[in-house]
Amino acid sequence: DTEVTQTPKHLVMGMTNKKSLKCEQHMGHRAMYWYKQKAKKPPELMFVYSYEKLSINESVPSRFSPECPNSSLLNLHLHALQPEDSALYLCASSQVSGLAGGRNEQFFGPGTRLTVL
Amino acid sequence: AQSVTQLGSHVSVSEGALVLLRCNYSSSVPPYLFWYVQYPNQGLQLLLKYTTGATLVKGINGFEAEFKKSETSFHLTKPSAHMSDAAEYFCAVIPLSGNTGKLIFGQGTTLQVKP
Repeated sequence: DTEVTQTPKHLVMGMTNKKSLKCEQHMGHRAMYWYKQKAKKPPELMFVYSYEKLSINESVPSRFSPECPNSSLLNLHLHALQPEDSALYLCASSQVSGLAGGRNEQFFGPGTRLTVL
Repeated sequence: AQSVTQLGSHVSVSEGALVLLRCNYSSSVPPYLFWYVQYPNQGLQLLLKYTTGATLVKGINGFEAEFKKSETSFHLTKPSAHMSDAAEYFCAVIPLSGNTGKLIFGQGTTLQVKP
């Protein structure tokens, strides 16, 4: 299995809702990432988990809360989002994070298209 | 800080013509270099990467890229464009300083292929 899966594909939520995005990989990767991508822009890194521990938080607002229950799963919990948070949310994984002789090639999932009303 | 520049936000070629997408990086120490492709409403797919070794790298779908240290470049080419190549292409680097392993993306180039 060489893919990263994400659910749901699409999500519409109100500003008072609580929802979660899920990401899963079965490649034995120990680093997992959340990115946010606006239309016609490159992905922006949000969080990095390395060996199930949060290693990088790119100053993301607390209304986004990541969780890594185990080495295969990554969640992004959403609460009290704003309309400007509407975007494509991408999950990625790599064998390791940091510099590791090229083992940090990132594999991306198909993304969750989030719309905040 | 490390940056990645993709010259041309939009490139248009005819089907069967050469594809050339340009990427330059801004560090004295060559980083790890990647090209990703993104089709509409999909995630990013790795086309090819350069970490060490041979400077001409072959990737999927007939694409290749050449690392040129003297020009700090990693341009992506394909000899003959196909309609299915129409997509967004991102050049990305992982700097060798800092050891964070963070991917730094260029702004992307939209490739249009005309019949």
